[in-house]
Amino acid sequence: DQQVKQNSPSLSVQEGRISILNCDYTNSMFDYFLWYKKYPAEGPTFLISISSIKDKNEDGRFTVFLNKSAKHLSLHIVPSQPGDSAVYFCAAQGAQKLVFGQGTRLTINP
Amino acid sequence: NAGVMQNPRHLVRRRGQEARLRCSPMKGHSHVYWYRQLPEEGLKFMVYLQKENIIDESGMPKERFSAEFPKEGPSILRIQQVVRGDSAAYFCASSPVGQRNQPQHFGDGTRLSIL
Repeated sequence: DQQVKQNSPSLSVQEGRISILNCDYTNSMFDYFLWYKKYPAEGPTFLISISSIKDKNEDGRFTVFLNKSAKHLSLHIVPSQPGDSAVYFCAAQGAQKLVFGQGTRLTINP
Repeated sequence: NAGVMQNPRHLVRRRGQEARLRCSPMKGHSHVYWYRQLPEEGLKFMVYLQKENIIDESGMPKERFSAEFPKEGPSILRIQQVVRGDSAAYFCASSPVGQRNQPQHFGDGTRLSIL
């Protein structure tokens, strides 16, 4: 029962362009959503989050959009930089624990 | 470094041995969470603890696994009689007390290999 899904295992984007990572969820009880970035052999690093009462949150180059009716969230990175190459996980919080998607490997090409 | 500290970073055990993984939360955080990541998968919740209390262990296997967060010292995830399927990366996260919708911050994990 995969409650949080990232359907794209990988994404390749040219440097300077926009990266859009997508995530779908099934449980309407989730009330807080997060994006984490992960490099090999390191732990996930918190990037940005959004509460279910909002539909957009922006922090520098990163913007998260939440569409509750579609149970869909997305992460926009603009402009994309080589250092953004990593695996990105979306996560949904319910009852204090996080439910993670499978991750999307983002590669930024020069 | 005031981040979440996990040790050891790498742990090798033979089948049937015990594995002990340690986690010290960020300063000021009293909520600790353990997650497991199998190769090519996302992180899966195991257990949520506060000082001296297990709040939610719904993700813990029923046998061989236990966790504690004593009044003094780090949180410990203990795996008894390890099997090959226990090979994974184990991550600990912490969050502050009493604040709703605060992100969990992760350590760099312990990579457990079972021979």
